[in-house]
Amino acid sequence: GQQLNQSPQSMFIQEGEDVSMNCTSSSIFNTWLWYKQDPGEGPVLLIALYKAGELTSNGRLTAQFGITRKDSFLNISASIPSDVGIYFCAGQLGGYQKVTFGTGTKLQVIP
Amino acid sequence: NAGVTQTPKFQVLKTGQSMTLQCAQDMNHNSMYWYRQDPGMGLRLIYYSASEGTTDKGEVPNGYNVSRLNKREFSLRLESAAPSQTSVYFCASSDGSANTGELFFGEGSRLTVL
Repeated sequence: GQQLNQSPQSMFIQEGEDVSMNCTSSSIFNTWLWYKQDPGEGPVLLIALYKAGELTSNGRLTAQFGITRKDSFLNISASIPSDVGIYFCAGQLGGYQKVTFGTGTKLQVIP
Repeated sequence: NAGVTQTPKFQVLKTGQSMTLQCAQDMNHNSMYWYRQDPGMGLRLIYYSASEGTTDKGEVPNGYNVSRLNKREFSLRLESAAPSQTSVYFCASSDGSANTGELFFGEGSRLTVL
């Protein structure tokens, strides 16, 4: 089946630093998504990407859909304490298809 | 707005016991999903229902059954619980018809099998 590998698995950063994480797949997707999970809650969508090469921003977050359709990255600029959580990438082939999640990147921000 | 509601939120079972996790969504979504989350493993799809009346296996379906009772409700059943099924279970829903992939998650059900 499809596998999504995220890196890094975890990271500690200083408040104010920029963060970069990425996700690679063994097969192509037509939609890439990035979710964030706060402790004790379900994941919430941050950014959705629908086209190869697309670069999309949401506030301090920027994500890109890789040209090969097999990868994506997420950048967070000027991190703040509330950025703490687990970030998941996810891919979907198309509408009504299952959504496959990556293994997650655990982010901890040191004030 | 309730969104996706899961019950129970916590459950402790003994090996061999059975139970059903309930999930309901009030967003008129077509697709519903059950995931399990384990440390270092991310979210793994157990079963999904692309639309009312259909169900399909995900990555880790063994030991589980599902029922798409109607458009709103999608239940997950453990017939004979095993310690390996100790996990946090998330139900999610999505519109499905549009190419969005956006899932709305419940708060999770924390299951411990002794």
